Amino acid sequence: GAVVSQHPSRVICKSGTSVKIECRSLDFQATTMFWYRQFPKQSLMLMATSNEGSKATYEQGVEKDKFLINHASLTLSTLTVTSAHPEDSSFYICSARDPRRQGSTGSQYFGPGTRLTVL
Amino acid sequence: QKEVEQNSGPLSVPEGAIASLNCTYSDRGSQSFFWYRQYSGKSPELIMSIYSNGDKEDGRFTAQLNKASQYVSLLIRDSQPSDSATYLCAVLGGNQFYFGTGTSLTVIP
Repeated sequence: GAVVSQHPSRVICKSGTSVKIECRSLDFQATTMFWYRQFPKQSLMLMATSNEGSKATYEQGVEKDKFLINHASLTLSTLTVTSAHPEDSSFYICSARDPRRQGSTGSQYFGPGTRLTVL
Repeated sequence: QKEVEQNSGPLSVPEGAIASLNCTYSDRGSQSFFWYRQYSGKSPELIMSIYSNGDKEDGRFTAQLNKASQYVSLLIRDSQPSDSATYLCAVLGGNQFYFGTGTSLTVIP
């Protein structure tokens, strides 16, 4: 099946620093990727939809100046957490839809996630 | 606001039993439904997708969809300890997936 990778898998940083997380689709081109955040024992919360070649669409309540998304190519989207604080500590997961399975049969493939800990 | 509701559990079943996971959704126009399994500390992985009313079977897993009742379920037969995980129900609305909060399943050896 389709594969989505994320890097790094785990990062620990000091408060006030910025952290970049990469999401890559390895065997397909994804015009759209999604970024989720998951706090312990909670479900996935969609943060933003990343569109190749255009601005990301952010969900209500998500600060676009804090969570910078760049979808530079059809296989790469990056999420930068700027001036991270302890409350940003979470599990960040990206996903992409395989365009070869469009329409009502479209499925979403998740990256392995990035565990961010802000000290 | 599209909503997807699941019983958070935890649900415990003995090994070899049938585990039944349920999900309801609010958008009557939804057409595509998915079940994901998520192990602790890992990202979700797709188990089943279902688009038509009725049952869809894949190995030990059976997804059931009733659009009139806006209800989708997942049955796991011959449950194994390795099935212990959180199961997420997802509904596709437009270009976006809406997830339930997940049901935690524990299969007791």
